[in-house]
Amino acid sequence: DAGITQSPRHKVTETGTPVTLRCHQTENHRYMYWYRQDPGHGLRLIHYSYGVKDTDKGEVSDGYSVSRSKTEDFLLTLESATSSQTSVYFCAIRAGLASYNEQFFGPGTRLTVL
Amino acid sequence: AQSVTQLDSQVPVFEEAPVELRCNYSSSVSVYLFWYVQYPNQGLQLLLKYLSGSTLVESINGFEAEFNKSQTSFHLRKPSVHISDTAEYFCAVSDQGDYKLSFGAGTTVTVRA
Repeated sequence: DAGITQSPRHKVTETGTPVTLRCHQTENHRYMYWYRQDPGHGLRLIHYSYGVKDTDKGEVSDGYSVSRSKTEDFLLTLESATSSQTSVYFCAIRAGLASYNEQFFGPGTRLTVL
Repeated sequence: AQSVTQLDSQVPVFEEAPVELRCNYSSSVSVYLFWYVQYPNQGLQLLLKYLSGSTLVESINGFEAEFNKSQTSFHLRKPSVHISDTAEYFCAVSDQGDYKLSFGAGTTVTVRA
């Protein structure tokens, strides 16, 4: 599992509340990613990081922000959760610095916004 | 960024029958290609990948995929499936030099006895 943990694993929250999801890795990989998985859409990239304090947007970044103050942690924040952000969120790391290195995924966080 | 199309959203198949999952991507530039599998309530696991060289790549559990540059396809096949192959399968593509992956919508394979 490439030493990736996500917390919490399940969360139910209400519309308008802030939510932070945490991804933790134990192997000092440089690249980390946040995806959301929705039926019929596969996985869509929200944000990614290529180093401490270095992040960039993915294809569905609106309503999300990220932070990476340490190599091992990559945080995803929903500033004001909406029902459309109900989803399963996956964190991933890239196993190496080359673009051909595959990504390894965490176990996921199931978020429900009521 | 690549657009990835998985032509079948659901594939029911009987145990020991063959299965083919189709994947097409949008651009014929140099790419890296991946198939991931997701078992129920789990994260994604890499099944196999194509980086270069032989166009036919194999996994340790009997799956194979063939890269076809002219058709921009990377179809996944298994000659004889097991109940344990029931899962969702995702095709993913990245352009060489790009550190992001584009995923297809997924194909759910249900193997019945």
